[in-house]
Amino acid sequence: DIVMTQSPDSLAVSLGERATINCKSSQTVLYTSNNMNYLAWYQQNPGQPPKLLISWASTRESGVPDRFSGSGSGTDFTLTISSLQAEDVAVYYCQQYHSTPFTFGQGTKLEIK
Amino acid sequence: QVQLQESGPGLVKPSETLSLTCTVSGGSISGYHWSWIRQPPGKGLEWIGYIYDNGNTNYNPSLMSRVTISLGTSRNQFSLNLGSVTAADTAVYFCARHFLGTWASWFDPWGQGIPVTVSS
Repeated sequence: DIVMTQSPDSLAVSLGERATINCKSSQTVLYTSNNMNYLAWYQQNPGQPPKLLISWASTRESGVPDRFSGSGSGTDFTLTISSLQAEDVAVYYCQQYHSTPFTFGQGTKLEIK
Repeated sequence: QVQLQESGPGLVKPSETLSLTCTVSGGSISGYHWSWIRQPPGKGLEWIGYIYDNGNTNYNPSLMSRVTISLGTSRNQFSLNLGSVTAADTAVYFCARHFLGTWASWFDPWGQGIPVTVSS
C-alpha cells in the first residue's frame, strides 16, 4: 500500500496569511508514461463529504478559488492557500489514485489564529 | 448533474452484516467506476472498494475477506455488504464516483454519507 503522510496534523493561520499543507507518499505517484502525478486534494467541513479541490497534483477544480494551489511531484506535494479566508477552516486530505488500495493522508485541520 | 445517495440501516449488531445501497440520479452507472469509502468518527478516510458497470470489483485487502460490492437490481444502484462487523466498523459510509472513465481517478461526486453504528 502507498502510505500518505500529511504535515502538520493541525495548523493555525491568521486571516489573509498563507497556509501550507504537505503530503508525502511512501512511493512515487508519478506515472512516467504520461508524466502525471496521481494525487488529489480535498476539503472537508463537519458533517459534509469531502469536496475535491485539486486533481493531478496541481489542476484546480472548476469553481475552486484561485487562492488554492497544488504543487509537487513524485512523492512530495503541497497544498497552498495564498490568503486564508474564514471559510477555508476545514480538514484537508490528500489522496493517491496511482494504485489500489487508494489511500488518503490522515488529514490536516486548518484553523484561524 | 450526477447525485449519489446512500441508504440503509443506521444500527447494526456485532457479528451481523452491514448492508448499504447507493442510488445514482441524474446520470447512469454505465461507463464509470463506483466506490465505497468510510470515515470512523473523528478519523480519516478509508477506501473500501469499487465496482465497474460490468460488475468487476476491486477491494481493499484490509477488508477483502468481509466485503462484497455488487450492482443493484435497479440499473442506477450499487450496494455494499460488510460481514462480521465489530465496533471498529462504526463509521460514516460514503459512496462516490470515480470522476474519470477509468479506475485510476479521484472521487467526485460523493454522496452525503450515512452514519452506521455497530452496537448490540
